[in-house]
Amino acid sequence: QVTLKESGPALVKPTQTLTLTCTFSGFSLSTNGVRVSWIRQPPGKALEWLARIDWDDDKFYSTSLKTRVTISKDASKNQVVFTMTNMDPVDTATYYCARMQGYGDRQYYFDYWGQGTLVTVSS
Amino acid sequence: QSVLTQPPSVSGAPGQRVTISCTGSSSNIGAGYDVHWYKQLPGTAPKLLIYGNNNRPSGVPDRFSGPKSGTSASLAITGLQAEDEADYYCQSYDSSLRGVVFGGGTRLTVL
Repeated sequence: QVTLKESGPALVKPTQTLTLTCTFSGFSLSTNGVRVSWIRQPPGKALEWLARIDWDDDKFYSTSLKTRVTISKDASKNQVVFTMTNMDPVDTATYYCARMQGYGDRQYYFDYWGQGTLVTVSS
Repeated sequence: QSVLTQPPSVSGAPGQRVTISCTGSSSNIGAGYDVHWYKQLPGTAPKLLIYGNNNRPSGVPDRFSGPKSGTSASLAITGLQAEDEADYYCQSYDSSLRGVVFGGGTRLTVL
């Protein structure tokens, strides 16, 4: 059974760095072809893909946020860590981690999602 | 502004057929990247509904289908039921942005 769960602070101040952890089970990030992404959703708005890390430690970032975000993994702990620097109130959102399936030429979709964690940016 | 364009809302009566469009461009859907669909109930995480344009994960009824043509795709729902009331998102890959992109979401109301 595949599960993912996000954890981290519910409230951060402007200019601070956000660190979120995704703890998963039912699969291994050491297995060829496994990928995990972070996605966010501001209240009442659409989904936005943020970052991805692959089984071979390849990392990919949203072009609009790549100067502020970092993704890393600890495969032995079944965890993926996401950081975003210089947080702003517009970054208030529910942050999800999700397992990403890939096939063909850059064909990707998300088959399992965590429950999400709401992060509010406010002083 | 989302890269993929969806209508903000659609509605239909129980038993009817509705479609939700997802319009992209030559760097995503038109470039041959597949479209995937997610259903999101209020306060919950999105759930995979359709992958690879028209494939349903186990447990998703065949009332849901997802044809794709040119730079657009559609989610078709037949035999509308009250439990279908939710937000629906399309997703693809964009070669110019070099990343996954989502639609703005469509709220389906069952009248």
